Amino acid sequence: EVQLLESGGGLVQPGGSLRLSCAASGFTFTNYAMGWVRQAPGKGLEWVSSIFPGGDRTYYADSVKGRFTISRDDSRNTVYLQMNSQRAEDAAIYYCAKYGTVVTPYHLDFWGQGTRVTVSS
Amino acid sequence: IQMTQSPSSLSASVGDRVTITCRASQSISNHLHWYQQKPGRAPNLLIYAASSLHSGVPSRFTGSGSGTDFTLTINSLKPEDFATYYCQQSYGTPWTFGQGTKVEIK
Repeated sequence: EVQLLESGGGLVQPGGSLRLSCAASGFTFTNYAMGWVRQAPGKGLEWVSSIFPGGDRTYYADSVKGRFTISRDDSRNTVYLQMNSQRAEDAAIYYCAKYGTVVTPYHLDFWGQGTRVTVSS
Repeated sequence: IQMTQSPSSLSASVGDRVTITCRASQSISNHLHWYQQKPGRAPNLLIYAASSLHSGVPSRFTGSGSGTDFTLTINSLKPEDFATYYCQQSYGTPWTFGQGTKVEIK
């Protein structure tokens, strides 16, 4: 059974940093790309970032480029999202998700339950 | 790539057939996926590659379309189907979602 368990959310001040983690199990982690999607309170879904097997291919939404960094540790079956220079508009539930395929069309077939990030002074 | 869903919300009764449309601002071939989200829960994949049913998803959910126009149809709506539905394209980065369609009980 695929499981994705996010952690690391919480309250951060504007301009501050936070690192989210997503521990994966139930599938061969090294074979799959992983992504982060966020949802601001009462709003829709926004793709944030993705990382492909091996970690050499990473992609970011324009809204977080240069501030967020995605990484993976295949020895720990974990994907991370380092969030720096936090802004009020970064406040959201952050979902970790697994890619459903190693070829296109890529989609997200399993999602974690999310971790909440609040940005406030 | 902008994704536009319609309607933004709808009211329907148990047993109804419901159709939600999603339009892309440019051709995305079949790189279109549908997710269901219930309040307070993570999204769940329903349909991928425009028309392929994700494992475990009931067959009353069907997807169709290619290019720029896509539809999600729910045949014979059940109580557990009242939720918000999102389309998403993965043809190019940034991946983008539609704004969502909330299906409410009439």
